[in-house]
Amino acid sequence: QVQLVESGGGVVQPGRSLRLSCAASGFTFSSYGMHWVRQAPGKGPEWVALISKDGSHKFFADAVKGRITISRDNSKNTVALQMNSLRVEDTAVYYCARDGDWDWGQGTQVTVSS
Amino acid sequence: SYELTQPPSVSVSPGQTAEITCSGDVLPSQYAYWYQQKPGQAPVLMIYHDIQRPSGTPGRFSGSSSGTTATLTISGVQAEDEADYYCQSANSTTSYRVIFGGGTRLTVL
Repeated sequence: QVQLVESGGGVVQPGRSLRLSCAASGFTFSSYGMHWVRQAPGKGPEWVALISKDGSHKFFADAVKGRITISRDNSKNTVALQMNSLRVEDTAVYYCARDGDWDWGQGTQVTVSS
Repeated sequence: SYELTQPPSVSVSPGQTAEITCSGDVLPSQYAYWYQQKPGQAPVLMIYHDIQRPSGTPGRFSGSSSGTTATLTISGVQAEDEADYYCQSANSTTSYRVIFGGGTRLTVL
């Protein structure tokens, strides 16, 4: 059974950094690209980033390009999202999701507020 | 444009058929995916590759796609189907990105 568990969310001031992590289990992690998707309060989902199965290719939404990096550790079955220079508008629930089959985790809340 | 457009709301009586459309210029060349989201929960994939149902999706849910429009059809709507529905696709013309529709609130009267 595919399981994706996000962690690392919290309340952070504008301009600060936060690192989210997603622990995967129940499938061959190194065979799948992994996405991060976020959903602001009362809004629809917004794609954030994708990392290829071996980590060699990374893609980012324009809204976060230059402020966010994505990485993975296939030995630990984890994918991370490093968010820098956070803005109020980055407030959202952040989900990791498996490419192709689009299984999602339950999300972790990020609140950017002074 | 490379966006996806959905009607904000659809209302239907129990037992009737609901159709939720998703329009976008990428759809003739990219697959559509459909999600159901209930309050406080993560989105759940209901349809992938335009017409395919994951194993857990009830048979009353079906998908279709023609030209620039993808459609999610729910036949014999039940009260438990009341939720927000989002379509999703991808755009890889310049650089890869995933796009979502704005969502449709399905109300079961």
